[in-house]
Amino acid sequence: DQQVKQNSPSLSVQEGRISILNCDYTNSMFDYFLWYKKYPAEGPTFLISISSIKDKNEDGRFTVFLNKSAKHLSLHIVPSQPGDSAVYFCAASDTGTASKLTFGTGTRLQVTL
Amino acid sequence: GAVVSQHPSWVICKSGTSVKIECRSLDFQATTMFWYRQFPKQSLMLMATSNEGSKATYEQGVEKDKFLINHASLTLSTLTVTSAHPEDSSFYICSAATSLAQYFGPGTRLTVT
Repeated sequence: DQQVKQNSPSLSVQEGRISILNCDYTNSMFDYFLWYKKYPAEGPTFLISISSIKDKNEDGRFTVFLNKSAKHLSLHIVPSQPGDSAVYFCAASDTGTASKLTFGTGTRLQVTL
Repeated sequence: GAVVSQHPSWVICKSGTSVKIECRSLDFQATTMFWYRQFPKQSLMLMATSNEGSKATYEQGVEKDKFLINHASLTLSTLTVTSAHPEDSSFYICSAATSLAQYFGPGTRLTVT
């Protein structure tokens, strides 16, 4: 039972354009959501998080949007850079960002020149 | 700050042997440590949650007698894969958490031949 899903396994975007990565969840108890960037054979690197009391959080080039009624969140990267090429995971928790996380299936982002 | 290390970074062992993986928080004390596993091209799956000085809490379907977790101090947790089999080959990642955030280690690639 995959409680957190990323329906696009891969995404290709031109440098300078916007990358939009999507994530859907089914567990209504999730209140905290995080995005991680991951390279093969490395641990995930935290990018940005949002709690359910907000619908938007921004940090530099990264913005996360949360639509709680639709159980959907998205990560926007603007402008996309070649160094952003990696696998992106969304993750969710019902108790906090320092608690156990349920990860999505991942989206491989390729930023082309 | 907030660096988590894992040792070894990769290990190859024969079927039937046991392997110990260490997870250390280098510059902070972790109230909780989590152990995740990632199979190729799949999501990170939580295996267990451990708190210093107490027994680990295992997720459903994870054999506690096979994956022994010891959390002896606020900076060290170990995962021992006992009687390893080829199907245990995976990428094992730990995270160390304070009350506010969790930080992931670089992962350990286990290959059982």
